[in-house]
Amino acid sequence: GDSVTQMEGPVTLSEEAFLTINCTYTATGYPSLFWYVQYPGEGLQLLLKATKADDKGSNKGFEATYRKETTSFHLEKGSVQVSDSAVYFCALSAVGAQKLVFGQGTRLTINP
Amino acid sequence: DAGITQSPRYKITETGRQVTLMCHQTWSHSYMFWYRQDLGHGLRLIYYSAAADITDKGEVPDGYVVSRSKTENFPLTLESATRSQTSVYFCASSGAGANTDTQYFGPGTRLTVL
Repeated sequence: GDSVTQMEGPVTLSEEAFLTINCTYTATGYPSLFWYVQYPGEGLQLLLKATKADDKGSNKGFEATYRKETTSFHLEKGSVQVSDSAVYFCALSAVGAQKLVFGQGTRLTINP
Repeated sequence: DAGITQSPRYKITETGRQVTLMCHQTWSHSYMFWYRQDLGHGLRLIYYSAAADITDKGEVPDGYVVSRSKTENFPLTLESATRSQTSVYFCASSGAGANTDTQYFGPGTRLTVL
């Protein structure tokens, strides 16, 4: 079945560092890909998404590019802030499906 | 603009008791979902609903019951709670406008089964 694999956490960085969180997926066809973020004590909220190959999703300085050839959707940010500390989830929805399949989440801590 | 709400936010119960977690959305979204979040597992889908009176099992449905008599409500019932059901439960909805594939999450219910 469909699955999502994220890099193991937790990840700890200093403010203004470059961030990459790896995400790879297994699915047939061209699923939609998502990054959700969960701030402490809150529910998940959509950070960005991409629905077809080579699409780049972006929001709040974060970017991710849908790479069909490597089945990847890595999350990047050029300069992280303390306020980016959260848990990040990569997810996919299969073609024609509303259900999401989530990775295990990566906890990110940014130190000032 | 209330969005999607869950109640209660925190619940402590005992093994064998019945517990119902409530979810309410104000967007008239057609789809609603229940997930549980456990360390090391990310979010796992328990049940989902495509519309009122239409529900289907997700990845981990055992021990849970859902109903959806109205579009805006999607309660989740644990008929006889077990310690393994201690978790954080999230409700989500989707299905309107241009972003039908985007799910919107409630704040979660933290359930402890003693």
